[in-house]
Amino acid sequence: QKEVEQNSGPLSVPEGAIASLNCTYSDRGSQSFFWYRQYSGKSPELIMFIYSNGDKEDGRFTAQLNKASQYVSLLIRDSQPSDSATYLCASSYNQGGKLIFGQGTELSVKP
Amino acid sequence: ETGVTQSPTHLIKTRGQQVTLRCSSQSGHNTVSWYQQALGQGPQFIFQYYREEENGRGNFPPRFSGLQFPNYSSELNVNALELDDSALYLCASSETQPSYEQYFGPGTRLTVT
Repeated sequence: QKEVEQNSGPLSVPEGAIASLNCTYSDRGSQSFFWYRQYSGKSPELIMFIYSNGDKEDGRFTAQLNKASQYVSLLIRDSQPSDSATYLCASSYNQGGKLIFGQGTELSVKP
Repeated sequence: ETGVTQSPTHLIKTRGQQVTLRCSSQSGHNTVSWYQQALGQGPQFIFQYYREEENGRGNFPPRFSGLQFPNYSSELNVNALELDDSALYLCASSETQPSYEQYFGPGTRLTVT
């Protein structure tokens, strides 16, 4: 079992819709969780991180963490074609420590 | 404030050769981590350096080694290159620990033939 698992997709949503990206993790020792966006041929770009149960909002993005279910999600509201990218979920055991990544979910936003 | 930079951008090497990849941390960041990303996969942690000392290592063989310099720039060295070493190599820097945020450089694309 992989430590961090994501559905590889592709996930296709129409422009303006809500995109929902999901991630599960196996190690209950994981403390913090990250969402990175990676455009084709580019490096990962940090969107946001979360370490407390519940929701964390930043603009059009909302991260959700449920430690009991070992589940992390990212919601993108009002999806735009420019959001089309691979979204990487990662966990960490401590602040600044190594990141354990899932394989990424490819998102396609259709105009 | 400058971001994380890496050099070279692309590199082609032959199996058995050695390679050195370089990373300059973002200003004010004293922690650097290196990751390997194979095509279609998420990045895999190689190791991390904090104030010139190795601060954690992933499941990579000893032929992967690193250095961090007093100015917090870093090198990744890979000896005896294998075909499977072909990947995007990423470095990420972060501020004085504890810090949640790690910022990635543009990466070095290594091809081993």
